[in-house]
Formats: sequence, structure tokens, C-alpha cells
Amino acid sequence: GDSVTQMEGPVTLSEEAFLTINCTYTATGYPSLFWYVQYPGEGLQLLLKATKADDKGSNKGFEATYRKETTSFHLEKGSVQVSDSAVYFCALSEGGSYIPTFGRGTSLIVHP
Amino acid sequence: EAGVAQSPRYKIIEKRQSVAFWCNPISGHATLYWYQQILGQGPKLLIQFQNNGVVDDSQLPKDRFSAERLKGVDSTLKIQPAKLEDSAVYLCASSLKGGMNFGPGTRLTVT
Repeated sequence: GDSVTQMEGPVTLSEEAFLTINCTYTATGYPSLFWYVQYPGEGLQLLLKATKADDKGSNKGFEATYRKETTSFHLEKGSVQVSDSAVYFCALSEGGSYIPTFGRGTSLIVHP
Repeated sequence: EAGVAQSPRYKIIEKRQSVAFWCNPISGHATLYWYQQILGQGPKLLIQFQNNGVVDDSQLPKDRFSAERLKGVDSTLKIQPAKLEDSAVYLCASSLKGGMNFGPGTRLTVT
């Protein structure tokens, strides 16, 4: 079945550092790919998405590019802030379904 | 617009007891989902409703879990009897045309 694999956390960075969170996927078709973020005490929020190969999703300084050849959708940000501390989930959905299948999540901790 | 509301936010029960969670989706959202998020894992879909009908409940442990969505608005998820492995955050989400909106979740601890 479809699945998503994320790098294990926690990822601990200093403010203004460069962030990469790796995500790879396995799917039978051509899925849509997502990054969700969960801030402490809050619900999951969609951060960005890409629906086809080579698409780049971006939001709040975060970016991820849909790489079909490497089945990857790595999340990047050039300069993280303390307020970016959260758990980040990579997810996919197949076909016309909007129902995501989630990875395990990667905790990001940013120190001042 | 108001977001997805869930209550309670936290619940501690002993194993073999019963528990119920409540969800109020965003007004007008026809589709409602319940997810289970065990610590260290990604959320797993338990059940999907379209209005007040069940679309997919293939991952719902029906021997102990039940859910309903009367009148196609609010929904309740019940566990009876609870087991230790049911300790998790239970997330409710709703959507209109794609784009899921998640509630803050209910954290259940079974002792």
C-alpha cells in the first residue's frame, strides 16, 4: 500500500539555521504530496502541497519540490525561527481522494 | 470562520471503562473524519462520514469503537471497553471540497 517515510527527530537547530526534513514515498499511482504542521496544543494545519511531478509547494518560507525520479518531497527553509518549533508531517493522497496517508512526523526544536 | 471544535481536550480513564469524544465540524462541511494518532506515529484514519452516512470505516476496530453523525453535523466517537493501547490523540477533521481542517484533538490516556 501507499506509505510515507520521514526522517526521525527531533531535529534541533539554532535560530536562522537552514532546515531540511527528508520525506520519501511509495505509491502505485501519481499521488498528491503534502506537508502538515502541528504546533503545540493545536490541530494539524496544511503547510504546503504539490499535485504533480516537479511542482514546488511553498508557504511561510517553507518549500518542497515533488521529485518523481527519487520519490521524494523534502521540506526546506532557509532560516528557521523559534516559532517554527512544531511537528511536521509528510503525507500523500492518491487519485482524486483528499484523504492523506501520513508519515510518523518529525519534531523540530529551534533554539534562540 | 470558526474551526473544528472537539471536546474534551483531555481524558484519563481506566482500562475497561467507556469514553466518548465529541466533534463539531466547520459549518457546511459535509465530510467528517476521525483519526487516531498514537504517540510517535502519524495520524491513522478511523472513519469517514459524508453527511450522516459512513463512507469508509475499514480501519475502525468495530468490536470496541463506534461512531455516529446524527443529522450530518456533530459526531461522537465512542470506545467501549477501552484498552491500554487506545491511549492516543483522537483528531476530528472536516472538509467541503478537499482541504481538510483539523480540530485540536482529544488526548486519551488509558491506565
